[in-house]
Amino acid sequence: QEKVQQSPESLIVPEGAMSSLNCTFSNSASQSIWWYQQHPGKGPEALISIFSNGNKKEGRLTVYLNRASLHVSLHIRDSQPSDSAVYLCAVSGGGSNYKLTFGKGTLLTVTP
Amino acid sequence: DPKIIQKPKYLVAVTGSEKILICEQYLGHNAMYWYRQSAKKPLEFMFSYSYQKLMDNQTASSRFQPQSSKKNHLDLQITALKPDDSATYFCASSQDGTGVSYEQYFGPGTRLTVL
Repeated sequence: QEKVQQSPESLIVPEGAMSSLNCTFSNSASQSIWWYQQHPGKGPEALISIFSNGNKKEGRLTVYLNRASLHVSLHIRDSQPSDSAVYLCAVSGGGSNYKLTFGKGTLLTVTP
Repeated sequence: DPKIIQKPKYLVAVTGSEKILICEQYLGHNAMYWYRQSAKKPLEFMFSYSYQKLMDNQTASSRFQPQSSKKNHLDLQITALKPDDSATYFCASSQDGTGVSYEQYFGPGTRLTVL
């Protein structure tokens, strides 16, 4: 059974700072790792995904994956108050391409 | 226009009753899913369907039954409701691809409260 752990549980950063979120997973055979953003009362929305070791950059987002250490991180450059939300790490694979296993999330608050 | 419609948005039920949660997607996807999010627990996978066929079932209880009447519909019937079933239920959809994990798009959710 895949396990996904996220840290920290909550994070407060000032506007313009870098936000760094962490995620560890249990199955090295997992396929893609996804980061989702969820605002209160809404469904999660996918932000970025990564499959291969290394990093991937999209706009203000950079994600790093290290399969050997089963660790992935998300970095948000120049954080804005509108980035305040819960960020969910999700892992696919482990026998099924259809199932995403989610972590509990990191609550990010960006203060003006 | 919303691409994934879930109805109703809020639902209150009494213990022992039965409810159906509706999901329709207009993204042209062939794979659909149900997830559950309850307080202090991670978003939890329940079912996946591809081309109207059940692919994965991670729900131990037979009280939860997905129903796919059309390609873009995946409803969730819950029988003999219990207070522990109180949660927000999310429907999602994606392209279908063997060996590939495609982005899953989530609906706005149905918040179910069982008294």
